[in-house]
Amino acid sequence: DAGVIQSPRHEVTEMGQEVTLRCKPISGHDYLFWYRQTMMRGLELLIYFNNNVPIDDSGMPEDRFSAKMPNASFSTLKIQPSEPRDSAVYFCASSGQGRGGHLREQFFGPGTRLTVL
Amino acid sequence: GNSVTQMEGPVTLSEEAFLTINCTYTATGYPSLFWYVQYPGEGLQLLLKATKADDKGSNKGFEATYRKETTSFHLEKGSVQVSDSAVYFCALRSSGSRLTFGEGTQLTVNP
Repeated sequence: DAGVIQSPRHEVTEMGQEVTLRCKPISGHDYLFWYRQTMMRGLELLIYFNNNVPIDDSGMPEDRFSAKMPNASFSTLKIQPSEPRDSAVYFCASSGQGRGGHLREQFFGPGTRLTVL
Repeated sequence: GNSVTQMEGPVTLSEEAFLTINCTYTATGYPSLFWYVQYPGEGLQLLLKATKADDKGSNKGFEATYRKETTSFHLEKGSVQVSDSAVYFCALRSSGSRLTFGEGTQLTVNP
């Protein structure tokens, strides 16, 4: 398995532009997580999905951020309009469910480094 | 709410030195505890875990014991290598699916 795939790996854009980050989870995993990592705030959970349905989006910073999961093999995180303070590394992670319903290990993608000028 | 506190970094050691990275937590119920490692330019990888009190997680020479009485999960390795240089995150999962991460501790091992 190729693991969690994220694209692009690096994105540089100007303030006000729309940014779309993409994630392909590991096949068979029914949980998908979006995280943001910055020096100031560390690793923050933005949103997560179960079976393509958003379960908890309380970490999404504001209305400029939106996430979708149209099918089991694809998710997007969109920022519109982008601002310099959105500069960060954005990680996608996925996990499966074991017997008894407990969650298995989260596997992280390599991340997208976003720079908003 | 849940929280994880790690010792402040960065930590710099010489090769073959003993490593301890402290981690304490606050959580409701009986959380599962994890250590993740992040190598430069990569995503986080699960290093080890423990799901109940007194469990010891171990992997690649690293160990951590779930201490409920002190609410701690300190990471240890007897002899570090240059290749262990990375950022280490302590995390917990209580009820539900969310992981709560600590701030991360940067480890640099010099030859």
